[in-house]
Amino acid sequence: DQQVKQNSPSLSVQEGRISILNCDYTNSMFDYFLWYKKYPAEGPTFLISISSIKDKNEDGRFTVFLNKSAKHLSLHIVPSQPGDSAVYFCAASLLFTGNQFYFGTGTSLTVIP
Amino acid sequence: EAEVAQSPRYKITEKSQAVAFWCDPISGHATLYWYRQILGQGPELLVQFQDESVVDDSQLPKDRFSAERLKGVDSTLKIQPAELGDSAMYLCASSPRGIGGPAGANVLTFGAGSRLTVL
Repeated sequence: DQQVKQNSPSLSVQEGRISILNCDYTNSMFDYFLWYKKYPAEGPTFLISISSIKDKNEDGRFTVFLNKSAKHLSLHIVPSQPGDSAVYFCAASLLFTGNQFYFGTGTSLTVIP
Repeated sequence: EAEVAQSPRYKITEKSQAVAFWCDPISGHATLYWYRQILGQGPELLVQFQDESVVDDSQLPKDRFSAERLKGVDSTLKIQPAELGDSAMYLCASSPRGIGGPAGANVLTFGAGSRLTVL
């Protein structure tokens, strides 16, 4: 049973525009959310995170928004750059019950120069 | 910068053979995870260790897979016998945070992965 879902397998965006990647989850107990970026033949690398007590976290060009009532989070990349082309995974964690991390299926982002 | 080391990077084997993967987490990281990622899917947890103890192995196919972290440092994941459906990327990750630790330390750092192809 997939507890974290990314319903868009792929996304193409023009360089300089905004990329919005979406993620939905089913378990209301999740209390910490992360985004990872993955290039081919490499392991995922941590990008940005957000605690369930916040609704927004920014780090440079990357902003994560959390809507707990909708069980939805999104990653905004502004402006998008060709080097951002990669697969993005969202992950949800149960901080206080076992430290497990659950991953979505990923969205492949292509930024077109 | 500290890294999670994994070997081998690539492994090709025939079905019914044994295969083993090794992981050395970032020094001092209490929690170690083995994930399997099939192409087009997200990482799926196989086993989670806190120090040398297994915390969660509910998704580990125990008839053929085994994992150990004997001294609470490096870890080995073994498959015996390998099947065609085991072809995947096997990812090791570590986190400095143990269960109940500070939230700020709750970030997984992944290794480069071990790509397994079973023929």
